[in-house]
Amino acid sequence: GAVVSQHPSWVICKSGTSVKIECRSLDFQATTMFWYRQFPKQSLMLMATSNEGSKATYEQGVEKDKFLINHASLTLSTLTVTSAHPEDSSFYICSARNPGNQPQHFGDGTRLSIL
Amino acid sequence: GENVEQHPSTLSVQEGDSAVIKCTYSDSASNYFPWYKQELGKRPQLIIDIRSNVGEKKDQRIAVTLNKTAKHFSLHITETQPEDSAVYFCAAVTNDYKLSFGAGTTVTVRA
Repeated sequence: GAVVSQHPSWVICKSGTSVKIECRSLDFQATTMFWYRQFPKQSLMLMATSNEGSKATYEQGVEKDKFLINHASLTLSTLTVTSAHPEDSSFYICSARNPGNQPQHFGDGTRLSIL
Repeated sequence: GENVEQHPSTLSVQEGDSAVIKCTYSDSASNYFPWYKQELGKRPQLIIDIRSNVGEKKDQRIAVTLNKTAKHFSLHITETQPEDSAVYFCAAVTNDYKLSFGAGTTVTVRA
């Protein structure tokens, strides 16, 4: 149980393109999902907390207009990287929390490469 | 916010020896401390966790200790095997459920 699916797993696109990443909790309802970014050989850095039915909470230094987060249902959160540039190339990972429980369950991650 | 420091950044051990990774945290409100193993290009996998009301927990070759007073916790891997080679992250969680990760330790087990 507690499976989180993330799609796509790999994206290569041109600079200026917007990219949408989906994070789904398959067998539980997740009122809260988290989005992380991981650059090569670095740790996971929390970008934002996604709450179902309300606006996401962004960490300091993360541009909310560039990284659009939508959590319209209890099983789906999306992250859209708008007008992506090469410096946005990274590994993006979502996680979901089963209410009342730890730990968070991670998706498989999305490798984003902007040319 | 929470600040988690992790040492060492790299660790090379002979197969069969033990590996120890240490972390400290800053927020005394942190109450949950998971450890993750991450292989290249993969998701972090939870390997063990400990809550603030427990001082030690063991699962086969893996153990974690927590010292709340000193705000530090450690991961111990005994009888290391080549498949233990990976990057390990400690993390701390406060009541807002946010994970604050350490910088990671690259563990290499030499056969």
